[in-house]
Amino acid sequence: DVKVTQSSRYLVKRTGEKVFLECVQDMDHENMFWYRQDPGLGLRLIYFSYDVKMKEKGDIPEGYSVSREKKERFSLILESASTNQTSMYLCASSYTGTGGYFGPGTRLTVT
Amino acid sequence: SQELEQSPQSLIVQEGKNLTINCTSSKTLYGLYWYKQKYGEGLIFLMMLQKGGEEKSHEKITAKLDEKKQQSSLHITASQPSHAGIYLCGAVPFNAGNNRKLIWGLGTSLAVNP
Repeated sequence: DVKVTQSSRYLVKRTGEKVFLECVQDMDHENMFWYRQDPGLGLRLIYFSYDVKMKEKGDIPEGYSVSREKKERFSLILESASTNQTSMYLCASSYTGTGGYFGPGTRLTVT
Repeated sequence: SQELEQSPQSLIVQEGKNLTINCTSSKTLYGLYWYKQKYGEGLIFLMMLQKGGEEKSHEKITAKLDEKKQQSSLHITASQPSHAGIYLCGAVPFNAGNNRKLIWGLGTSLAVNP
């Protein structure tokens, strides 16, 4: 079975803190994605990566950065967390041309 | 406007009833994917459809992609409380510059009353 794991299910951070969300996949997929999901807005792509050290901006990259040093690991970084970044964060991985397999999600609250 | 339109937005059915969820695009699609999400959790992959006219089934869930590859329906037969959740469709547009990124519907929230 494909497995995508995320470092935390729930996270509470203060405004201004630096936040790291980590995602690991075990299927040797070349593509990895970070989405956020908000009520009424659906899934929105933050960043994706199609190879090690490669990244592309998604639809809402502002306030976020990413890192992919190894094929199986894709990290999302909030340089200075703000309350409008309170959301559900979902990581996914895939082969090119296919849908993705998702992790369980991290519910981040920024106070 | 949303690139993938899902309907209905929400649905409440009695256990044992059949139901259909639709996903429509204005563009021809390279592939369409159905996912289920339980509240507060990640997305679970259900099915992938890539050929016009294709139909796939898994247990009591059947998904179809029309010949033009612009519309898909998800049909649940004899619904059970375990079917409750949010159903999302995702798709890769046929003429996308690269076919790595999916576009998404907003989801259909399904409740099944015992």
